[in-house]
Amino acid sequence: GQNIDQPTEMTATEGAIVQINCTYQTSGFNGLFWYQQHAGEAPTFLSYNVLDGLEEKGRFSSFLSRSKGYSYLLLKELQMKDSASYLCAATNAGNNRKLIWGLGTSLAVNP
Amino acid sequence: NAGVMQNPRHLVRRRGQEARLRCSPMKGHSHVYWYRQLPEEGLKFMVYLQKENIIDESGMPKERFSAEFPKEGPSILRIQQVVRGDSAAYFCASSPPAEDTQYFGPGTRLTVL
Repeated sequence: GQNIDQPTEMTATEGAIVQINCTYQTSGFNGLFWYQQHAGEAPTFLSYNVLDGLEEKGRFSSFLSRSKGYSYLLLKELQMKDSASYLCAATNAGNNRKLIWGLGTSLAVNP
Repeated sequence: NAGVMQNPRHLVRRRGQEARLRCSPMKGHSHVYWYRQLPEEGLKFMVYLQKENIIDESGMPKERFSAEFPKEGPSILRIQQVVRGDSAAYFCASSPPAEDTQYFGPGTRLTVL
């Protein structure tokens, strides 16, 4: 079957570091996306990992382990504006570009 | 390059009416995806289209819902005889031919009275 799991909610403190985990099971995996979605807004693209390892992009980093079916999003120096839902999505190989989406992790950043 | 555009941003319909949601993909993007999202819930895939072709409609309800992406013009998601349960945010995303990244439009909030 195809499945994406991520925690429903997380809480962190301003200035801290938080890691949001995602595990996936898909047939013909190609790569792993992370999107950010603020309440009432559209998802916005954060990262796409195809190869194993850590990719850093400013305060946000994303990690992928293909052998373990595991990814995480690391947010450093948290700011209040980082309070949002973080969506993990996996691609299928082949011609069908449909993504398999997780339900999202709602992150609350407290002062 | 303008982003993905959706209109209307807000749509109010009475039960039994038709709702037409439009999506103009980013320039050069030939793949369009439609999603539905209820408040406090995740994105639910509905349909994936390329120009003039439906590639995957596994998430579309069997009745009342249809989608198209004509050779010219925007993609249209059409909901006939709307019911209260159709009230949701409908997001469109697009991607270019050689890339998997999907870029989202601002969404259409449909309210059925």
